[in-house]
Order: sequence, then structure tokens, then C-alpha cells
Amino acid sequence: GAGVSQTPSNKVTEKGKYVELRCDPISGHTALYWYRQSLGQGPEFLIYFQGTGAADDSGLPNDRFFAVRPEGSVSTLKIQRTERGDSAVYLCASSLMAGPNTEAFFGQGTRLTVV
Amino acid sequence: KNEVEQSPQNLTAQEGEFITINCSYSVGISALHWLQQHPGGGIVSLFMLSSGKKKHGRLIATINIQEKHSSLHITASHPRDSAVYICAVRSMDSNYQLIWGAGTKLIIKP
Repeated sequence: GAGVSQTPSNKVTEKGKYVELRCDPISGHTALYWYRQSLGQGPEFLIYFQGTGAADDSGLPNDRFFAVRPEGSVSTLKIQRTERGDSAVYLCASSLMAGPNTEAFFGQGTRLTVV
Repeated sequence: KNEVEQSPQNLTAQEGEFITINCSYSVGISALHWLQQHPGGGIVSLFMLSSGKKKHGRLIATINIQEKHSSLHITASHPRDSAVYICAVRSMDSNYQLIWGAGTKLIIKP
């Protein structure tokens, strides 16, 4: 596609449920990033993929969070046993490669609300 | 102290005014990004800078590497410029991680 696509754009779920958030990066971009943005704050790094592998998952807050990118393109962020504190906008970005002068392109985000 | 500080946090101005948003950082960087975020969450990259100045339409971004400071200017501001403007830097220690400012919420009144 022309840009980074995230689905769904909004997700409301009950506490304790499992959710999956999808990111479709720009075609050909090998680097993919997930961020989480809570209300009134800047985005917080979660995980970075280079190709199919998670090169850095140090930002995942706990083991309820997991992300995959099995074919090096689409990525899914999975959250188990959701908690109200997981409510945030989850942003995905992709770039042609990782590097100091490589521009990242962002999706519109998925607004997750846990009730 | 945050590694990336933006000022002001909030800015309200009248249509047509010249707008300046500032970003200071305390780490060595390889690049600095200015991004725009509209209500609903989507982020659009405006500029990526490693030196000097860039201009795109009514937007101008400058960076002073020695002073670790960048500014985003909007000329002839318009209500559609209302958004959150975020400064983010790419640390020299990482090829991919961005360190984000908290954002500046800009409201332009007609």
C-alpha cells in the first residue's frame, strides 16, 4: 500500500480479554516498530523488527505483550489478559532499513480501550 | 530531566501568526524528527534533520547541533495547523530507537 496501515483503528475490549492489533508496513520496508502512546504523553518504544526477527523487544512492558512478523511484512501485536492500563494508542512505523538517516513512516494508530 | 524537552507545552494563537516551537535535547544524535499528530492518533513525519534548515510550504525546521536545539516554525498559521507537534531524536547509540519529546499542543483560532 501507499502508507503504513493499522487495523482496527479503534478497539474496545473487556478487561481480561485477548486482542490483536495489525500493522501493514510500506512494501519493501524491512524495519518495523511498535510504539504505545498514553494520553498526554509522547510515544513509548515497544519493539523493533528487522525482517522477521525481533531485534529489540526491550520496550514490551511485560509478558502479556507479544509481537510477531512471520513473513517480514505484516506484524501483529498481541496482548493477553488485557488490563485497563493497557488503554492507549498503539502506533506502528516502518522504514526502508534501520539507520541514522532513515526516515520512519507512521500509521494512523489503533486506539485501544480496555473497559 | 527528560532527554528531549519541548516548549511550550501548549500554544494558542490567532490565524496568521508566526509560530515557533522549540526542542532541546541532551544526548548525541544522528538525526532529529519533527512530527505532527492530529486528534485520533495518526502521526505524520514533517521533517528529518541532521543539520541546517529545511523548508516545506509554510513549515520551516532548523537545527543547531552545537547548541543541541531545534525549532519548528509555521508561517501564516491556519486553523488546520492545529495539532500536536512532536520532536523526536535518534540517539547516536541506536540505529532505530527514537527518544520522544512530550509534544506541543498547538491551537490556531480563526
